Parts: sequence; C-alpha cells; structure tokens
Amino acid sequence: EPEVTQTPSHQVTQMGQEVILRCVPISNHLYFYWYRQILGQKVEFLVSFYNNEISEKSEIFDDQFSVERPDGSNFTLKIRSTKLEDSAMYFCASRRDDGGPPYNEQFFGPGTRLTVL
Amino acid sequence: GIQVEQSPPDLILQEGANSTLRCNFSDSVNNLQWFHQNPWGQLINLFYIPSGTKQNGRLSATTVATERYSLLYISSSQTTDSGVYFCAAGGFTGGFKTIFGAGTRLFVKA
Repeated sequence: EPEVTQTPSHQVTQMGQEVILRCVPISNHLYFYWYRQILGQKVEFLVSFYNNEISEKSEIFDDQFSVERPDGSNFTLKIRSTKLEDSAMYFCASRRDDGGPPYNEQFFGPGTRLTVL
Repeated sequence: GIQVEQSPPDLILQEGANSTLRCNFSDSVNNLQWFHQNPWGQLINLFYIPSGTKQNGRLSATTVATERYSLLYISSSQTTDSGVYFCAAGGFTGGFKTIFGAGTRLFVKA
C-alpha cells in the first residue's frame, strides 16, 4: 500500500541553523500538508500546498518557514533560523482529491522529530 | 474555522473493558479521521469516517454528520490500546486542512 515517507526520522540542530525536512507524498496525490506537534500537545496545521503554491497557512507559518516541491516527488519544509520553540514532531500529509473516493482522506507520514539545542 | 473537541481528556480502563471516545466538531465536515498515536509518536490512521459507521476488529466508529459528532468504540480493551487517540476534522475551506482535537489519553491496566 502506498505511504507517505519522511526523512530524517530525527534531526538535532543548533539554534539559529537552517533545517530542511523532507517528505515524499503518495504519488497520485495533489494536496500536500505540514503539521507540527510540540511534545505533549495537539497536532497543529502549518501549511497546505496545491498546484505548486501555498493554498493556506496558519499563524505559526511565519517568514522563518517555507515550503517547496523541488521535483515531482519531494515536498520540503525549510526553517531558516531555528529557535528552541521549533522543537517538535513535524508531520507531512497528502491528499488525493482527484475525484476518486476517499478523496478527502489525509495520509500522514511517520514524522520527523526536530530537536533544537 | 472548525473547532474540534474531544472527551474525555483522560481515561483509565481495566483490561477487557469497553470504552467510548467522543469527538464534537463545530461545522460541516468533508473529512473526519480517528488516529492512534503510538509510543514512537507516529499517527496510526484508524478510520476515515466523515459519516456512517465502520468497524475494524475491536474498534468501530460512528459519525453523525448532521449532529456534528463522532464516536470511537473500543471493545475488550488490551494494554496495547494505551496511548493518545486523536479526532481530526476537515472542512470545505481552501486547502482543506485538518484540525485536530486535543486527544483522549487512554491507559489500559493489566
């Protein structure tokens, strides 16, 4: 069964450094998402991406964050200058939306645990 | 935007007991999913259920879209059922983002 993959599984970085989190969505999916979960808290929406542009972003997704689909398979989240409070689990998700059911279901990757020291 | 509320926030069960977890959402949804977060932090998709009833082994779920709630039933609970259960709902806004509830933390005692 196709699945969303994410790399790395765990990333440790120093405050102020740039990090890039990578995701490979399911191949025939059209919508892509990033969510984050600070330890012990709920999962929060960051950004959605469709047709090579951001379709919606949350208040969390400020100028320090950017997303990109550099080729036909990868979807990346970049944090330009990491802060301690960026430490969290980051989940990538994708959604089909090609008219075939269950086109609204979101499929989540296993997550990347980011630790900022 | 959509608000998602889950209850109870915490639940302790004896192994073998049954339980019902509730999810209320504030608006019409085109997506309703239940997840179990495992000890490694991964979100395990249990059900995609924007309406109707589904069953998978000891787990079943029902969503009554017109009344804006969903229920997750766990029967004959096992210690491996322990963890956090999240309800997540998505509406019809641009981007079709999913909003998560705060979760129900379940602990099943042996």
